[in-house]
Formats: sequence, C-alpha cells, structure tokens
Amino acid sequence: KAGVTQTPRYLIKTRGQQVTLSCSPISGHRSVSWYQQTPGQGLQFLFEYFSETQRNKGNFPGRFSGRQFSNSRSEMNVSTLELGDSALYLCASSHDRDLYNEQFFGPGTRLTVL
Amino acid sequence: AQSVTQLGSHVSVSEGALVLLRCNYSSSVPPYLFWYVQYPNQGLQLLLKYTTGATLVKGINGFEAEFKKSETSFHLTKPSAHMSDAAEYFCAVSDGPGGTSYGKLTFGQGTILTVHP
Repeated sequence: KAGVTQTPRYLIKTRGQQVTLSCSPISGHRSVSWYQQTPGQGLQFLFEYFSETQRNKGNFPGRFSGRQFSNSRSEMNVSTLELGDSALYLCASSHDRDLYNEQFFGPGTRLTVL
Repeated sequence: AQSVTQLGSHVSVSEGALVLLRCNYSSSVPPYLFWYVQYPNQGLQLLLKYTTGATLVKGINGFEAEFKKSETSFHLTKPSAHMSDAAEYFCAVSDGPGGTSYGKLTFGQGTILTVHP
C-alpha cells in the first residue's frame, strides 16, 4: 500500500501571497489531519477532515483553511502569508475504524516565506 | 486539556549503550500514547503505541515503552543504541475519537538523540 503523499515537497513564497498544499491519504483512510511543525512551537494541530467535513480545528487564525474531496484527498490553504508561517506542514491519515487516533504521516511540505 | 512533557531536548549516548527517552503526559481520560521518530527532512514514523492491555509495548527497531499510570509516564527505551537510531523522537497522546479529539494528537517538544561511535 502506498503511504501518505504530499505535494509539493518544497515551496518558497513571499509575504502576502497565498499557498495551497496537497495531501493524498493511504488508500481506504478517510480521516486526514494537518499539523504545523516549527522549531519554536513544535508540532501543532491545524485541523482534521473526515468525509469532506471538518470535524476538529486547532487554534490557528482564519488565514489557515482546508478542504477534503470525495476521494479523501485534502488541501490546506494559507492566505496572506506571514514570515512566521515558514514551517514544515505535515499531513496524516487515519483509518475509519481506528479508535485511538493512530496516524500515518506524509513526508511534509517545507514552506519558506520570504 | 492534554499535554505531553519530554524531559531533555537532547540526549547523547554511545553506540551500544542503553537509550532512555522520557515522556510524561497529562490527560483527563485514559490516554492512548504513541512514540514517533523523525529523520531529517522526513515525516513522522510510528515506533510503537499503547492503547489498552499490556503496559509494556514493543515497537520497531528494538524499541519498547512501558505505560505507568501511577507515574503518568511512557518512557521509551532500547537496550543497545545503534548509529542509525540518531533522530528526533516525539511522544504523543490522544483521547481517542470524539469531540475535540477527532484527528488530534498532542505532541511533546521532541528529544534529539545523538549516538556517538
């Protein structure tokens, strides 16, 4: 089975721009979670989608948004980029019937904001 | 609210020595606990997990961890370190699905393990 894939792997943007990141979960997984990883704040939960619905959301400003498609692929969007948005963005998928939130992670997208 | 504390942001051991990475958690409900490893420029790989049942859990690459409810701890150990174990390790806690826990793992700040020859 293929693992979680994320595209692109690297992105460089300038302040004020917007960016869209993509995540394809493991086949059969319908839950997709997103995390932001920075040296200062560590790993922080952004949001989770299941069957095209956002079920949970972390404490991030409204500039961070996401969506999920009928094939379970997910995208996250960051508008009006700030320098502090530079981070590794990780996507994780989980099986429908998982009771414990065991998550499988992709390789991440490294976003640099200049 | 859940929280995870990893004692020691950096741990250094010699090859062949015991590895001990410490994790303490706070959770209002019986927790589900995970250890993940991250190699440079990669995502997180699951090492092991505690859900229910046996409190000593074995994972990949010779790692194991013991859930101690009385100490709210879930420390990761490996009897003999290998150079390839050098990486960053994260402890995480989940309440399981439902409500504000859907799809959410709460992570510790990570411990960078260095292995010296």
